[in-house]
Amino acid sequence: GESVGLHLPTLSVQEGDNSIINCAYSNSASDYFIWYKQESGKGPQFIIDIRSNMDKRQGQRVTVLLNKTVKHLSLQIAATQPGDSAVYFCAPYPPHGQNFVFGPGTRLSVLP
Amino acid sequence: SQTIHQWPATLVQPVGSPLSLECTVEGTSNPNLYWYRQAAGRGLQLLFYSVGIGQISSEVPQNLSASRPQDRQFILSSKKLLLSDSGFYLCACLGSQETQYFGPGTRLLVL
Repeated sequence: GESVGLHLPTLSVQEGDNSIINCAYSNSASDYFIWYKQESGKGPQFIIDIRSNMDKRQGQRVTVLLNKTVKHLSLQIAATQPGDSAVYFCAPYPPHGQNFVFGPGTRLSVLP
Repeated sequence: SQTIHQWPATLVQPVGSPLSLECTVEGTSNPNLYWYRQAAGRGLQLLFYSVGIGQISSEVPQNLSASRPQDRQFILSSKKLLLSDSGFYLCACLGSQETQYFGPGTRLLVL
């Protein structure tokens, strides 16, 4: 089955710096990946996704990189702001008949 | 786009009391629906999922049950709450798009 790990369960960055959150996955057949942001007391929100035919996708201040060779994703947040403080999860889309697996997430704290 | 409603937002219940949490979905039809529980500082634990009306699958043995009386309604219940049922309960939906969307959650405290 799928297992999802997250490097560095906590990450502290200075406001204005760039943040990089990493995620490893185990199923080499995974072909679609989603990043979620969960603020305190709220449900996870979709941030950005990427398919396995891409190695990079950019959104507004966020970029996701996918390295299928080593089964690793990263979420980069440019010019980190206080509003970016949250827990971030990556979720590989599950194979048919299976359900999403979520790791514990990485808590991003933005320091003033 | 899909919208997921959950209520109540917060609930404090005594041990041994019943529970009913409701989730409704707008903007999609025939979605897969999910109930997750999240302990403080932890990941999401899948409790139940449903691929259609009346179809419920349970991921872990527990004190809770789920029902899906309508296509876009998913209910989480318990006859007698335990202290260990405290947590943050999230309803999620997987519709026509390949993305799972989450509701705002219900924080349950059992005393």
